[in-house]
Amino acid sequence: TQLLEQSPQFLSIQEGENLTVYCNSSSVFSSLQWYRQEPGEGPVLLVTVVTGGEVKKLKRLTFQFGDARKDSSLHITAAQPGDTGLYLCAGEVSNTGKLIFGQGTTLQVKP
Amino acid sequence: GAVVSQHPSWVICKSGTSVKIECRSLDFQATTMFWYRQFPKQSLMLMATSNEGSKATYEQGVEKDKFLINHASLTLSTLTVTSAHPEDSSFYICSASLQVSEQYFGPGTRLTVT
Repeated sequence: TQLLEQSPQFLSIQEGENLTVYCNSSSVFSSLQWYRQEPGEGPVLLVTVVTGGEVKKLKRLTFQFGDARKDSSLHITAAQPGDTGLYLCAGEVSNTGKLIFGQGTTLQVKP
Repeated sequence: GAVVSQHPSWVICKSGTSVKIECRSLDFQATTMFWYRQFPKQSLMLMATSNEGSKATYEQGVEKDKFLINHASLTLSTLTVTSAHPEDSSFYICSASLQVSEQYFGPGTRLTVT
């Protein structure tokens, strides 16, 4: 069974601080996706990384896929209260479309 | 583009009854749709993979006779929770695959079984 360990599970920081969320696995994924989910809604895709070592930037968010395609990180620079939410990583199994989700990171950014 | 809808958005039913949840891809055709379940303060757990015109593939531990999945067209998949019990209360989310490594999630259906 493939598992994706996401950490930390909860993070409370002040506006303007930086943070990093990690997703780690012993398994290789064909792609890794990051989502943001608001309460009572479905996840919304932020980014997909496919190539080992790939780095993608989305405004203040930087996503990295590990060289071995087993881990990924999400770094947020100068967090804003609007960044508050649940962040989920999900690894795709062998180009099947099946996603294994991490436990999620609940981020709270205080003004 | 790439919008996925679910209906209903929430439903309350009595124990022992069955509930059907629809998942539709509104502006694209999806040969594959996925069904997930999410308990409060937990992450999404894949229940099954639904392919148009064929039987769904269920993940280990998911009862196929309890969670009936039908994918009758390229834009519609349904999940029927049969003989629902309070422990089936959860947030059910579907996703539709536009292409490999690209899928879009519906807004979810909150099921409460009393």
